Amino acid sequence: RKEVEQDPGPFNVPEGATVAFNCTYSNSASQSFFWYRQDCRKEPKLLMSVYSSGNEDGRFTAQLNRASQYISLLIRDSKLSDSATYLCVVSEIPGGYNKLIFGAGTRLAVHP
Amino acid sequence: DTGVSQDPRHKITKRGQNVTFRCDPISEHNRLYWYRQTLGQGPEFLTYFQNEAQLEKSRLLSDRFSAERPKGSFSTLEIQRTEQGDSAMYLCASRGRVHSGANVLTFGAGSRLTVL
Repeated sequence: RKEVEQDPGPFNVPEGATVAFNCTYSNSASQSFFWYRQDCRKEPKLLMSVYSSGNEDGRFTAQLNRASQYISLLIRDSKLSDSATYLCVVSEIPGGYNKLIFGAGTRLAVHP
Repeated sequence: DTGVSQDPRHKITKRGQNVTFRCDPISEHNRLYWYRQTLGQGPEFLTYFQNEAQLEKSRLLSDRFSAERPKGSFSTLEIQRTEQGDSAMYLCASRGRVHSGANVLTFGAGSRLTVL
């Protein structure tokens, strides 16, 4: 079983749609959680950290369920520029001060 | 350019040859990571340095792979006797000290290796 599992997609949605991605992790000792975004043939970039109480950054909302070992990312009012691969990332150390374990990513394609 | 720099960006080599990649992290970052990414997969952790000390190595890092960070600044990743399965994007990332405000893991653009 992979340490971090994601639905690979692709999710094909029209502009303005709301889309949700899910991620599960196997290590119950995981302490820190992140979503990264990776554009085609580019390096991953941090989208947002995920906090226990859930957190929002503009159109993006992240949720964490430690009991179910489950992380989600919700994107509201999708834009064409949101098309990318979204990587779920976990770390065993609070703050992610060691290696980060990446999921395989969920591909999002937003169309006009 | 104040980001993470990797060189070369692309390398094509024949099976059995040795290759070396270089990473120059953001100057004030003391922690440096190497990851490998193949098509359709997320980055896989290879190794981690804090300053010049290599603190963690993945089981993916076979004895053909070696990484160094001799002065705690730039790092090199060498692959000896390359195999076709080594074809991948090799990503370097760096981050600053804990509580420094520079703790975001920042990736370089990667070095793409093709082994023929």
